[in-house]
Amino acid sequence: KAGVTQTPRYLIKTRGQQVTLSCSPISGHRSVSWYQQTPGQGLQFLFEYFSETQRNKGNFPGRFSGRQFSNSRSEMNVSTLELGDSALYLCASSLVAGSDEQFFGPGTRLTVL
Amino acid sequence: AQSVTQLDSQVPVFEEAPVELRCNYSSSVSVYLFWYVQYPNQGLQLLLKYLSGSTLVKGINGFEAEFNKSQTSFHLRKPSVHISDTAEYFCAVSRGGYNKLIFGAGTRLAVHP
Repeated sequence: KAGVTQTPRYLIKTRGQQVTLSCSPISGHRSVSWYQQTPGQGLQFLFEYFSETQRNKGNFPGRFSGRQFSNSRSEMNVSTLELGDSALYLCASSLVAGSDEQFFGPGTRLTVL
Repeated sequence: AQSVTQLDSQVPVFEEAPVELRCNYSSSVSVYLFWYVQYPNQGLQLLLKYLSGSTLVKGINGFEAEFNKSQTSFHLRKPSVHISDTAEYFCAVSRGGYNKLIFGAGTRLAVHP
């Protein structure tokens, strides 16, 4: 069974641009969560989607948004990029919402210049 | 609200020596506890989890952890480490029924020959 896949793996953008990251969960998994990892702030929860509905949201500005499609694939979007948005963005999937086990993808490394 | 404190940012150890990585948590409600490992340029891999029941939890790669409710701790141990255990280790908590993980700042384990 294939694991969680994230595309692209690496991305370079400039300040003010917007970016869309994609996550394909493990087959059969219906819940997808997103995390931001930076050296300064560590791992922080962005949001969780289940059955195309945002179930939970972390403490990030409105420039960060996401969505989930009917096939459980998820995208997150960051608008008006800032230098501080440079980070590793990790996606995790689980069978259902509130599961006790989440499986993480390799992440997308975003660099904002 | 929950929080996690990993007491050591770096732990150097010689190969075949025992190691303990310390984690304390704070929560006003019952939580699930997790240890994840992250190898360079990779996502997170679950080592072990505590949901309920026996306070000694065994995980993959010879790791184990003990849940201590009175001390609100969940320390990770391995009796004999290998060079391949060199990685960053994260302790995390989640509230039962929710996928949102709250992570500690991480402990970098460096195993030397």
